[in-house]
Amino acid sequence: RKEVEQDPGPFNVPEGATVAFNCTYSNSASQSFFWYRQDCRKEPKLLMSVYSSGNEDGRFTAQLNRASQYISLLIRDSKLSDSATYLCVAPPLDSNYQLIWGAGTKLFIK
Amino acid sequence: DTGVSQNPRHKITKRGQNVTFRCDPISEHNRLYWYRQTLGQGPEFLTYFQNEAQLEKSRLLSDRFSAERPKGSFSTLEIQRTEQGDSAMYLCASSLAGGFANYGYTFGSGTRLTVV
Repeated sequence: RKEVEQDPGPFNVPEGATVAFNCTYSNSASQSFFWYRQDCRKEPKLLMSVYSSGNEDGRFTAQLNRASQYISLLIRDSKLSDSATYLCVAPPLDSNYQLIWGAGTKLFIK
Repeated sequence: DTGVSQNPRHKITKRGQNVTFRCDPISEHNRLYWYRQTLGQGPEFLTYFQNEAQLEKSRLLSDRFSAERPKGSFSTLEIQRTEQGDSAMYLCASSLAGGFANYGYTFGSGTRLTVV
């Protein structure tokens, strides 16, 4: 099992819809998780940090389920500009410094 | 401070040549990371510096790869005898000590390497 696994994409959703991505992680001791957004041929940019039960920022909500070891990202009222790849990130089992990245989920808003 | 700066943005090189990339982190960040990203994948960790000390290296970092951060400020990543499989985006990131646990990284724009 990969340390971080994400929903396979791409997700194609109409503008204004609500879309949710899931991400599972292996390290049950992890305390911090992140969602990054990456536009085509650009660097990843931090979207949200997730600790405890979750986080909310405008149209974006991230939730953490420690019992099932997954985090989710919910985007409400999606906009064309939300089209991007969303990367789930978690600390690995054997390092205090690096982060392990999922392969990303592509989202297309049409 | 304009964030993390990487140079060059693009590099095309012939197989077998050596290449060197530079990263200038955010000035107050003492942690610096190198990652590599190929198409359709998330970034893969290469190495990590705290100030000038290289504290962690990935098994991905073969002996053809070397990284330095001589004065605890900018860093260089050198790839010797490049191979076509080295073609990727090389990303540099920085953070404050303990900061990544709360705030994640700040990435540079990356250096896209193409080995022909």
